[in-house]
Amino acid sequence: DTAVSQTPKYLVTQMGNDKSIKCEQNLGHDTMYWYKQDSKKFLKIMFSYNNKELIINETVPNRFSPKSPDKAHLNLHINSLELGDSAVYFCASSLLSLRTTEAFFGQGTRLTVV
Amino acid sequence: SQELEQSPQSLIVQEGKNLTINCTSSKTLYGLYWYKQKYGEGLIFLMMLQKGGEEKSHEKITAKLDEKKQQSSLHITASQPSHAGIYLCGAPTQGGSEKLVFGKGTKLTVNP
Repeated sequence: DTAVSQTPKYLVTQMGNDKSIKCEQNLGHDTMYWYKQDSKKFLKIMFSYNNKELIINETVPNRFSPKSPDKAHLNLHINSLELGDSAVYFCASSLLSLRTTEAFFGQGTRLTVV
Repeated sequence: SQELEQSPQSLIVQEGKNLTINCTSSKTLYGLYWYKQKYGEGLIFLMMLQKGGEEKSHEKITAKLDEKKQQSSLHITASQPSHAGIYLCGAPTQGGSEKLVFGKGTKLTVNP
């Protein structure tokens, strides 16, 4: 069974559209994250949630809205997509402290805005 | 803010050769993660180091953490084409809400 799974794996859409990416983890972790990897492969955090509560919001445009219906799911909704949103988006999960436990990532969603 | 610098940025080796990738932090390390990324396959967790001096191995990959130097190294022995990919180091940040900050990755090519 996949520990952290994201859907879809690939997403091609036009500018101005609204799209969602879903993430689910079956590890029993209480913290989930969204990371963005740009064209230069640099990975940077966007959001983190702990038990459905938003913990980190790293100056991400308001067009990005994460939603956590329960602690096993963290979805990312993006409004009015722009060309610059093209990237690979990774979901991850961990137990609360990253200093003492492992963090696992999903396979990524490659978003292409045309 | 904490930054991780990886070296080299890219590496091409012949199959069977040993190699080392370094990750140096601008601040104190409170742990260090190593991941491997292949195209379209996401980030594969390799290992996590928690304490200074700690060394872990998985198959032919060994990683060490030197807290004093604020550095970690990843060593691959007798490299194989299956080791090819991008290796990323990540470190948990200090204070406040935790997150992982990452280096920019090292692209490894192993020629048969």
